[in-house]
Amino acid sequence: GQQLNQSPQSMFIQEGEDVSMNCTSSSIFNTWLWYKQDPGEGPVLLIALYKAGELTSNGRLTAQFGITRKDSFLNISASIPSDVGIYFCAGDRGSTLGRLYFGRGTQLTVWP
Amino acid sequence: DTEVTQTPKHLVMGMTNKKSLKCEQHMGHRAMYWYKQKAKKPPELMFVYSYEKLSINESVPSRFSPECPNSSLLNLHLHALQPEDSALYLCASSQGPSGAYNEQFFGPGTRLTVL
Repeated sequence: GQQLNQSPQSMFIQEGEDVSMNCTSSSIFNTWLWYKQDPGEGPVLLIALYKAGELTSNGRLTAQFGITRKDSFLNISASIPSDVGIYFCAGDRGSTLGRLYFGRGTQLTVWP
Repeated sequence: DTEVTQTPKHLVMGMTNKKSLKCEQHMGHRAMYWYKQKAKKPPELMFVYSYEKLSINESVPSRFSPECPNSSLLNLHLHALQPEDSALYLCASSQGPSGAYNEQFFGPGTRLTVL
């Protein structure tokens, strides 16, 4: 199925640094979701975005719904070791069937 | 109660076995999902139940059989699986199947190994 273009694929950063990742698509999305997944666990919803241009924060996390509705980004400020994991973006195109389209994920490693 | 629970956590089965995965939510959500996930890959949608009716079957082989006994429960019946079916199986639920209602909340998953 269609997947979103998520980048970067992986990031290796030092504790305290800021992180930025993004998702793009050739299609318009009505909803953008950002998830974090720890090894062996299910994805955890971090932030949900519903309107073009919307900027939403959750603690050290900030995400934006692109104005064209074809992209979204996630920023993590002042990273800490527990930020390690895989971050997935997901989008809903507004059908009534419940299908989400997922990015390939960004693997984040934080060095102390 | 704001979580999705899945049992068992781990399952090892032979190719001739029959087993079932179970998922439960008590958030009043009306859409439930089964996903398959391979290591370091995004979840792949298998089935969607909306208001207890199957609304999406992503061409999943018949050796996987979903069942939604009521709005809180979702089962996945497994029979004659292949080793390549080994994966993390995730259940998710959302308030509804579209738009702002489609914030999907995932369970912890069942790690399935087929020998």
